[in-house]
Amino acid sequence: AQTVTQSQPEMSVQEAETVTLSCTYDTSESDYYLFWYKQPPSRQMILVIRQEAYKQQNATENRFSVNFQKAAKSFSLKISDSQLGDAAMYFCAYRSASGGTSYGKLTFGQGTILTVHP
Amino acid sequence: DVKVTQSSRYLVKRTGEKVFLECVQDMDHENMFWYRQDPGLGLRLIYFSYDVKMKEKGDIPEGYSVSREKKERFSLILESASTNQTSMYLCASSLYLGGGYEQYFGPGTRLTVT
Repeated sequence: AQTVTQSQPEMSVQEAETVTLSCTYDTSESDYYLFWYKQPPSRQMILVIRQEAYKQQNATENRFSVNFQKAAKSFSLKISDSQLGDAAMYFCAYRSASGGTSYGKLTFGQGTILTVHP
Repeated sequence: DVKVTQSSRYLVKRTGEKVFLECVQDMDHENMFWYRQDPGLGLRLIYFSYDVKMKEKGDIPEGYSVSREKKERFSLILESASTNQTSMYLCASSLYLGGGYEQYFGPGTRLTVT
């Protein structure tokens, strides 16, 4: 079974600075999808960014970008020009692209709480 | 915008009670999911449904059941609530099950079982 590990329970950053959240995963599959979700305090979880494993290019969404290292099974999220609204719990998630019993299921990491200081 | 709503934000129940958590989505999504969220464990899948009346066990189905009688509604049932089921419960829906399609989440129900 796949596992996703976020080794940083908490991180903090100054407003306007850059922060990187780490995520590693364990899989024997070659084709899969990776996601970062954001859960603001008392608000609904939303998708931040996604990456397809067969794409070499790292995904980017405005101030959010990923560093996808397939061989190392690493998928970190970089937030540039951090804003107060970026404060949230961030979850890394994995989804297999193959069929079988894991089809469609998202496997989440433990989460990282990001604090943004003004 | 996709909207996923859950019947309660906070719920307090006694041990042994039967508990119903309701989830409704308004985007005609085929697939719906129930997760529980616990500190240090992230989100864990309890059950999901890929069509009306269809359900699949997730990673931690023990002590739970689900019902999907209408496409837009997915219910999580705790037949006999126990204190170890105190948790945050999140519902989600998605248009497609696989691929890079995102799941849309509800606001969550924080359940306390005393």
